[in-house]
Amino acid sequence: QQQVKQSPQSLIVQKGGISIINCAYENTAFDYFPWYQQFPGKGPALLIAIRPDVSEKKEGRFTISFNKSAKQFSLHIMDSQPGDSATYFCAASLKNGGSQGNLIFGKGTKLSVKP
Amino acid sequence: DTAVSQTPKYLVTQMGNDKSIKCEQNLGHDTMYWYKQDSKKFLKIMFSYNNKELIINETVPNRFSPKSPDKAHLNLHINSLELGDSAVYFCASSQARGTPQGDTQYFGPGTRLTVL
Repeated sequence: QQQVKQSPQSLIVQKGGISIINCAYENTAFDYFPWYQQFPGKGPALLIAIRPDVSEKKEGRFTISFNKSAKQFSLHIMDSQPGDSATYFCAASLKNGGSQGNLIFGKGTKLSVKP
Repeated sequence: DTAVSQTPKYLVTQMGNDKSIKCEQNLGHDTMYWYKQDSKKFLKIMFSYNNKELIINETVPNRFSPKSPDKAHLNLHINSLELGDSAVYFCASSQARGTPQGDTQYFGPGTRLTVL
């Protein structure tokens, strides 16, 4: 059972445009929602993360919007650049329990930013 | 300085063989993880481990076993390799789970395993 659903699978955006990637989760016990960025041949790297006590977090051109009631969160990349071309993963983790800290990943979105 | 390192980067082997992948972190972290990324890029937790507790994902075959000689190392041993084991394996580490700093996981560069 996939607990974090991510869409779209792939995304093409023009340079300077806004990239939006959406995720939905099922388990209301999740309490940490990171986004990871992965370049080809590299390991995932934390981009930005949010906890459910806030509805939005912004770091530079990257913003997470969080809707607790809808159990959805999204990544917005403003002024998208060719260097942003990568695969983006949303994830969620539990605060308590045996699998505490284990990241449950979405299936990823391959973003291509065209010059 | 590399924070989380893995060796080898590429591993090609025959079905039925036994192989190991090594992982080392120099971040002083308490918890380490192994993830499997399949051909469709899906990342799935296999194990999480600190010096007190090993959490095994129930879907991981018992042919896979993590071994930690010390806090900075978590190696992955795989017995009787199968074609379906072909994937990229990532090691990661974090500070102690249950702490705010423990949420952030730092990933290694990955090991691409190909089973022929």
